[in-house]
Amino acid sequence: DGGITQSPKYLFRKEGQNVTLSCEQNLNHDAMYWYRQDPGQGLRLIYYSQIVNDFQKGDIAEGYSVSREKKESFPLTVTSAQKNPTAFYLCASSIVALAGTEQYFGPGTRLTVT
Amino acid sequence: AQKITQTQPGMFVQEKEAVTLDCTYDTSDQSYGLFWYKQPSSGEMIFLIYQGSYDEQNATEGRYSLNFQKARKSANLVISASQLGDSAMYFCAMNLDFGNEKLTFGTGTRLTIIP
Repeated sequence: DGGITQSPKYLFRKEGQNVTLSCEQNLNHDAMYWYRQDPGQGLRLIYYSQIVNDFQKGDIAEGYSVSREKKESFPLTVTSAQKNPTAFYLCASSIVALAGTEQYFGPGTRLTVT
Repeated sequence: AQKITQTQPGMFVQEKEAVTLDCTYDTSDQSYGLFWYKQPSSGEMIFLIYQGSYDEQNATEGRYSLNFQKARKSANLVISASQLGDSAMYFCAMNLDFGNEKLTFGTGTRLTIIP
């Protein structure tokens, strides 16, 4: 079955540690995205990539970093510079980066930093 | 910049009744897309329906329809014959033409279907 996988589902880290969230898709989509969701809020865009080896900042990129070395993979690193890292993180992909193209989402990773 | 407003934080609806979830948007662009997503308690976002700003007819997908009123800048989701499995968070979102990257979401509506 084609889809997007995110691992792990739950992640716990101590403050001051960097942590990398995995996102893999086998849909052959060109574009991939990372969103953050806080309780009672909608999703906010962190980073997106339309092609391998290229990515752009979203609305809340500070304290995060990404890489896109392969079409299938778009890992997100939450660095110690992110002041409030505890949140639900969702990865998405789409076939082309055009309006009207739906984004397919993974199951999400719930990160807790204490 | 575009903005999505969902004014209903929560709704309770009797099973088998129809329900309308409100969404208004704000953009100065003429070309844009409007989406509705469902988020069950598991957390995954499920695409429901899409409406393009130039589409003359309201979009429909099974029990879902989008009541698009361009002059009022509203894109309400209508669910007919609600089911218990419809209980979830529902998000309205939009993006602009010439770029899919900026999908802007509203704060969502929590729908609870009562048996």
